[in-house]
Amino acid sequence: DSGVTQTPKHLITATGQRVTLRCSPRSGDLSVYWYQQSLDQGLQFLIQYYNGEERAKGNILERFSAQQFPDLHSELNLSSLELGDSALYFCASSVSGTHNEQFFGPGTRLTVL
Amino acid sequence: KNEVEQSPQNLTAQEGEFITINCSYSVGISALHWLQQHPGGGIVSLFMLSSGKKKHGRLIATINIQEKHSSLHITASHPRDSAVYICAVDQGAQKLVFGQGTRLTINP
Repeated sequence: DSGVTQTPKHLITATGQRVTLRCSPRSGDLSVYWYQQSLDQGLQFLIQYYNGEERAKGNILERFSAQQFPDLHSELNLSSLELGDSALYFCASSVSGTHNEQFFGPGTRLTVL
Repeated sequence: KNEVEQSPQNLTAQEGEFITINCSYSVGISALHWLQQHPGGGIVSLFMLSSGKKKHGRLIATINIQEKHSSLHITASHPRDSAVYICAVDQGAQKLVFGQGTRLTINP
């Protein structure tokens, strides 16, 4: 158990819908990262937050947005969902924003029908 | 060409064998991570290194910055080591770029 929690574990929804994925980092970790793992693209970095502020951005679509709240939990919002958004979404956390080991959550499996 | 290349893509070995998984990258990095993804999907961080060598139990990771190459070794492999092993490079600002993974199967 990494200490990082993600909810829900599974999510099935329809095209065009909007969903919110939630992540709680390990106690004491200030940085949260979001990753997408799809069958054709593998693992891809989406976005990083550090202590409430956006720190780095990767291949995140404009339909996706994220935020980190004062209690340090983070949410990833996915809107206007398409079939290709079906993937495993992982959250990870680390103590600070640079050169730290990252601890991964169990992931949320999103299926868009 | 991907920025991070792993080899082999698939590896099957017998219990007890010495395993080597390779990772080559083409960009400047501040650190390299080795991750293990279990059949159930969960990801565990094995190592983060920026130079030299690290050892944890039966796992050893090495990196050669000049040659832009890292290896993950498993000694005395066991069926419970069966997983996908993923190399990821940090290009700075904690933006990880991932290899495609190596699927390892250890037969008893």
